[in-house]
Amino acid sequence: EAQVTQNPRYLITVTGKKLTVTCSQNMNHEYMSWYRQDPGLGLRQIYYSMNVEVTDKGDVPEGYKVSRKEKRNFPLILESPSPNQTSLYFCASSTEGLDTQYFGPGTRLTVL
Amino acid sequence: EDKVVQSPLSLVVHEGDTVTLNCSYEVTNFRSLLWYKQEKKAPTFLFMLTSSGIEKKSGRLSSILDKKELFSILNITATQTGDSAVYLCAVYYGGATNKLIFGTGTLLAVQP
Repeated sequence: EAQVTQNPRYLITVTGKKLTVTCSQNMNHEYMSWYRQDPGLGLRQIYYSMNVEVTDKGDVPEGYKVSRKEKRNFPLILESPSPNQTSLYFCASSTEGLDTQYFGPGTRLTVL
Repeated sequence: EDKVVQSPLSLVVHEGDTVTLNCSYEVTNFRSLLWYKQEKKAPTFLFMLTSSGIEKKSGRLSSILDKKELFSILNITATQTGDSAVYLCAVYYGGATNKLIFGTGTLLAVQP
């Protein structure tokens, strides 16, 4: 089954404790992206990747890192999480460009 | 400033009604406009629009783009309770970069 998977689905952590949210897709897609969704602000792009070893910033990259060492994986790293990074995070992938993306199920992160 | 604005913010209708959701945008280097449906989970793709005046249709849903006036509408006819969701409009734009900006969504509630 074609899908985008994210882990963990729910995470509660404390300020400053490094964490990684994994994202994996099995559709051989070139593009992968990370978004955060907050009430009243909608979905905002954090980072995207056009292919292995090629990444670029979205609209809200501060406090996040990404890497694309394999085509199928695109982890999101929070080196020192802060409470303002409490949000719902979505990973997405697509064949070419950022249209017709397939979204993962989301990761709800709470930073205390 | 690049932006996507959706209206109304929320809407309550009865089963069988027809609804029209609006999306206006201001971006540079427009590529495509996308509609997504989001229930209590990840957004799912509905339509991609790139050309003005060409209606996209899927069952009871249809959408059209006006690139001159910079807006799109999403129509849902004979609404059902299963249509209850947040409908997201997004615009893919950018020259050398890949940007995707979402509106904050329209919350549609269909009552029996």
